[in-house]
Amino acid sequence: DAGVTQSPTHLIKTRGQQVTLRCSPISGHKSVSWYQQVLGQGPQFIFQYYEKEERGRGNFPDRFSARQFPNYSSELNVNALLLGDSALYLCASSLAGTGTEAFFGQGTRLTVV
Amino acid sequence: GQSLEQPSEVTAVEGAIVQINCTYQTSGFYGLSWYQQHDGGAPTFLSYNALDGLEETGRFSSFLSRSDSYGYLLLQELQMKDSASYFCAVGIDMRFGAGTRLTVKP
Repeated sequence: DAGVTQSPTHLIKTRGQQVTLRCSPISGHKSVSWYQQVLGQGPQFIFQYYEKEERGRGNFPDRFSARQFPNYSSELNVNALLLGDSALYLCASSLAGTGTEAFFGQGTRLTVV
Repeated sequence: GQSLEQPSEVTAVEGAIVQINCTYQTSGFYGLSWYQQHDGGAPTFLSYNALDGLEETGRFSSFLSRSDSYGYLLLQELQMKDSASYFCAVGIDMRFGAGTRLTVKP
């Protein structure tokens, strides 16, 4: 069985640009969460979606948005990129998103120059 | 909201036992999870405690005290490959602590 897949794996963008990151959860998983991880720090919660509805939102500006599709895949969009948005963006999927076992993708490394 | 506190670094020798503590504050408790992350890798699930007590999975055990808002991860018979960052997480949306970097020395 395929695990959580994220694309692209690496990305370089210029300040002010927009970026879309994609995540495909494990088959059967209905919850997808997005995290930002800066080197040396823990994953910071951005969004959680369950059954295509936003269940939770972390302390991130409105430049960050996300959605979940009927097949439970998800996209994270970041507008007006700043240098500080450079980080590893992780997607995690779980069956019901109730804080139990979650499975992470390998992440998208975003560099903003 | 949620907040979690963990020690930032722990060092131990091969074969030893190490305990990584986590204290938390959360508005709604759905259990305490632990994840391991090697440098350059993704976090991987280690354990989950919804009820008080000890959960054992091989060399790793996790403990929870809901009344104390406290838990710990116990790693036994440490191996070099256990050198990694360890995170506790709480909440239905799984908020992570800042992580504990474990270094295992020969």
